[in-house]
Amino acid sequence: GAGVSQTPSNKVTEKGKYVELRCDPISGHTALYWYRQSLGQGPEFLIYFQGTGAADDSGLPNDRFFAVRPEGSVSTLKIQRTERGDSAVYLCASSHQTGVNTDTQYFGPGTRLTVL
Amino acid sequence: AQKVTQAQTEISVVEKEDVTLDCVYETRDTTYYLFWYKQPPSGELVFLIRRNSFDEQNEISGRYSWNFQKSTSSFNFTITASQVVDSAVYFCALSESWAGTALIFGKGTTLSVSS
Repeated sequence: GAGVSQTPSNKVTEKGKYVELRCDPISGHTALYWYRQSLGQGPEFLIYFQGTGAADDSGLPNDRFFAVRPEGSVSTLKIQRTERGDSAVYLCASSHQTGVNTDTQYFGPGTRLTVL
Repeated sequence: AQKVTQAQTEISVVEKEDVTLDCVYETRDTTYYLFWYKQPPSGELVFLIRRNSFDEQNEISGRYSWNFQKSTSSFNFTITASQVVDSAVYFCALSESWAGTALIFGKGTTLSVSS
């Protein structure tokens, strides 16, 4: 079946601009995660959704970052007043939530954000 | 605090060589999960294996094998008879057992396999 998809694949913007990054999870997956990966590093957690609600947003670096998942499927990560330090690959992952134990997260191809 | 250490930044081997990627983790939890992901040049993280802390059996899948040792907090990954297509960045990751917990990744090991 179809995997996690993310759009756009690349986004170049200027410092101070607003950007939106989209994630379409695997069909039927109720859990959705956003991570950020800087060059030469492993992905770092940003936010986790269970259904429509953000169950854990402890990884968001500051209030310029916000994410929504209004219908419990597609999610949008929003970054206001972008800074050069926001340049990274933004990864989305989804998983089943079959019980109380953690399930495997499956990742999308990522969006490479470059802030000039 | 949870932490994953992949001490090997880069490894280069010639095709058909065996190679082991090291992963050492830290956690105070008694129940947790360990993962390996592969990130080829295309960039997408590909899931390889998931292990829970109560299952210390080694696992083999084709040319891949994993050695989990709680006594040394290690979860090492071996590729037997490496191939050029194995060239990628490999990440080890840790999570708590509860649903919805974030993955804690190591910094990754870049494996280059030459022909």
